[in-house]
Amino acid sequence: DVKVTQSSRYLVKRTGEKVFLECVQDMDHENMFWYRQDPGLGLRLIYFSYDVKMKEKGDIPEGYSVSREKKERFSLILESASTNQTSMYLCASSPSGNLNQPQHFGDGTRLSIL
Amino acid sequence: GNSVTQMEGPVTLSEEAFLTINCTYTATGYPSLFWYVQYPGEGLQLLLKATKADDKGSNKGFEATYRKETTSFHLEKGSVQVSDSAVYFCALGASKIIFGSGTRLSIRP
Repeated sequence: DVKVTQSSRYLVKRTGEKVFLECVQDMDHENMFWYRQDPGLGLRLIYFSYDVKMKEKGDIPEGYSVSREKKERFSLILESASTNQTSMYLCASSPSGNLNQPQHFGDGTRLSIL
Repeated sequence: GNSVTQMEGPVTLSEEAFLTINCTYTATGYPSLFWYVQYPGEGLQLLLKATKADDKGSNKGFEATYRKETTSFHLEKGSVQVSDSAVYFCALGASKIIFGSGTRLSIRP
């Protein structure tokens, strides 16, 4: 089975801090994704990557950046955290090819910005 | 553009009741359709999928049929259990996957 591991289940940070969320997958998937999940809004795509060092903006990239230096690892960076970035963050991966293939998700990181 | 609309929750049912969660979509072309489930404290898991019109996806007693004429992919289960309590997401796969807003389901013993 594919395993997608997010480094933290819960994280509390302060406004203005630089925050790193880490995600690792063990199935050699080319595609990796970062979403945020908010009540009533479902999942919104922040960034995705289809290969090492490649990244594409999703629907809500403002205030975020990403890094993919190795195939198995995809990091989400909040450059200067703000309270409106308090949310549940989900990482996902899928095999190469079309981006419409089923995705495998991690358990999420619940991030609170104080 | 492509979009997915699913019924708002929360939905509360008694154990062994019949479940329907409605999902409709708007898309150009021939998208794939998915249902994902999110149990408390976990990420999303693929529950079932259908890749073309009239396909029926099924898993764990849940079913959904890809209806192109009504642009729908409603999720059904004949007899729900307490363990089915979760949030259910309908999703459309075209150039990328688009998720609905989710429906929270609670089952009373």
